[in-house]
Amino acid sequence: AQSVTQLDSQVPVFEEAPVELRCNYSSSVSVYLFWYVQYPNQGLQLLLKYLSGSTLVKGINGFEAEFNKSQTSFHLRKPSVHISDTAEYFCAVSDPMEYGNKLVFGAGTILRVKS
Amino acid sequence: SAVISQKPSRDICQRGTSLTIQCQVDSQVTMMFWYRQQPGQSLTLIATANQGSEATYESGFVIDKFPISRPNLTFSTLTVSNMSPEDSSIYLCSVDAVGNGETQYFGPGTRLLVL
Repeated sequence: AQSVTQLDSQVPVFEEAPVELRCNYSSSVSVYLFWYVQYPNQGLQLLLKYLSGSTLVKGINGFEAEFNKSQTSFHLRKPSVHISDTAEYFCAVSDPMEYGNKLVFGAGTILRVKS
Repeated sequence: SAVISQKPSRDICQRGTSLTIQCQVDSQVTMMFWYRQQPGQSLTLIATANQGSEATYESGFVIDKFPISRPNLTFSTLTVSNMSPEDSSIYLCSVDAVGNGETQYFGPGTRLLVL
């Protein structure tokens, strides 16, 4: 079965600094990868996704992620964070060949942006 | 993306009672999913609901505890039966995007507290 590891449970960062949230997944022939964001007391919002093609994907709110097959990673980055980026971020993977559209989520990373 | 609503948004219930959560989508979708997010934890898939067939439950979840209905292509319900404090969680429904079935979009969630 697929698994997702988010290496950092919390990431504190100052406003306007760059940030990277790490995500690794268990290997498979083909996977789809997603980053979702959950603001306090809200549901999940899709930030970006990798299905195929270019390994660098750009999402909403200035976020981007790079798919690295050899390292089985899909790290999320933003060059300059804002206070409003404070939220919990979830990495998720699906294995369409084995498990269809089922999503497996990582444990989440809380991004705390400080002024 | 689809617009998804859930009712109720939150509830406080007594142990031993049952609560039915509704999920409504503004467009027809093939698959609907129900997730549980226990306090401070990530999302776990409870079951997949397809219209016209029985829901498919994940390991650790059973129909007697979490009966699901899917009467049409825009609506589903999840019932949490015979509740205990351990059922206190956020319950989220998601749908696969029309024409983009590998991506899931989430509702705002139902916050349940069982006393």
